[in-house]
Amino acid sequence: GEDVEQSLFLSVREGDSSVINCTYTDSSSTYLYWYKQEPGAGLQLLTYIFSNMDMKQDQRLTVLLNKKDKHLSLRIADTQTGDSAIYFCAAPVPNDMRFGAGTRLTVKP
Amino acid sequence: SQTIHQWPATLVQPVGSPLSLECTVEGTSNPNLYWYRQAAGRGLQLLFYSVGIGQISSEVPQNLSASRPQDRQFILSSKKLLLSDSGFYLCAWRVQGLGELFFGEGSRLTVL
Repeated sequence: GEDVEQSLFLSVREGDSSVINCTYTDSSSTYLYWYKQEPGAGLQLLTYIFSNMDMKQDQRLTVLLNKKDKHLSLRIADTQTGDSAIYFCAAPVPNDMRFGAGTRLTVKP
Repeated sequence: SQTIHQWPATLVQPVGSPLSLECTVEGTSNPNLYWYRQAAGRGLQLLFYSVGIGQISSEVPQNLSASRPQDRQFILSSKKLLLSDSGFYLCAWRVQGLGELFFGEGSRLTVL
């Protein structure tokens, strides 16, 4: 089945770029998703990329997809303290969604 | 627009007591419904999902159960809580198929 992995921690300074990486195993995933979880809250859909795309940009967010290496990344430009949260990559499977363990992003002023 | 709500937001229960967490979805019909548990510092574990009224699939054997008495209502229950049931419980829905999941606000359960 699908397996999704991502690093657990990332710390950056305010104003820098953040890059959160994710790898997955099932190349048949049609979409891949990024979710954001703020403390004590549910997961919020941040962005997604269709599997036939290499890149998607949405304001400060850039998603890169390398299908050959099964590697997905989320870049946040000009990272702000409000971006501090846990970020999950996710791949849909029948009747479920496979989530990575989540990357805790800490933004230092 | 579609919304999802779950309650209570916070619950502190003694070991051996019962549990009932409720989730409702508005603005859509016949959604797929899900209960996930998130242990501290860890990812999400799928507990139950439902593709229709009265249809429940369990992913993890445990002392929890789920029910779907109405199309847009999903309930997570236990007759006797264990310490290991502590965690953050998330309800989610999606349109039938492989689309994105939409999550509720979460319910923090502490079993003492």
